Amino acid sequence: QVQLQESGPGLEKPSETLSLTCSVSGGSVSSASFYWSWIRQSPGKGLEWIGYIHSSGSSNYNAALKSRVTISLDTSKNQFSLKLSSVTAADTAVYYCARVVPISGRSGYYYGMDVWGQGTKVTVSS
Amino acid sequence: SSDLTQDPAVSVALGQTVRITCQGDSLKKYYVSWYQQKPGQAPKLVFYGKNSRPSGIPDRFSGSSSGNTASLTITGAQAEDEADYFCNSRDISGNHLVIFGGGTKLTVL
Repeated sequence: QVQLQESGPGLEKPSETLSLTCSVSGGSVSSASFYWSWIRQSPGKGLEWIGYIHSSGSSNYNAALKSRVTISLDTSKNQFSLKLSSVTAADTAVYYCARVVPISGRSGYYYGMDVWGQGTKVTVSS
Repeated sequence: SSDLTQDPAVSVALGQTVRITCQGDSLKKYYVSWYQQKPGQAPKLVFYGKNSRPSGIPDRFSGSSSGNTASLTITGAQAEDEADYFCNSRDISGNHLVIFGGGTKLTVL
């Protein structure tokens, strides 16, 4: 079955760029059937969608983070990555990667996450 | 609105039925997915779409939708169902954005 695993530094300094990678096993990031997403959860808070990317190259981001976020795909390594620039303490969170499935509904489709990584904690502190 | 609204906390007696709701304008157009999250763990998909349950999820979990409200029902709640539950769907704006509800903390008494 498909498994996702996040990796990257657990500590970032303010104003620097956070970089995380999600390694995918048991499936391919090149599949046209799925999107690949990053979601984060600040301590004691809810889930915040960061963005997603598709193998076609199309991507979409949370408007609140769009100016600082880049999500990219590396099909040769079967991975996708997150870069979040100019981080502050407010970016301290557990970061999850997830596989996204378009799910059809009454008036169109929405995007649901069917497989999640275990999450990686990132602290922003000097 | 791009928001999904959930009650912050709900409780249920062991073995009883509980409904967790998710409200938002976009739910008039789209279904939701429901996730269960236990402390220190990643969210796990428990129900999605009109009427779909992932393999391995007990059939005491069911979902429904009416108007701008989606519901997750647990029939015969078990102690292991105590967790946070989140809904997610799509923004109504047409920009293909993902949105989450704020989450509901379910306590099984």
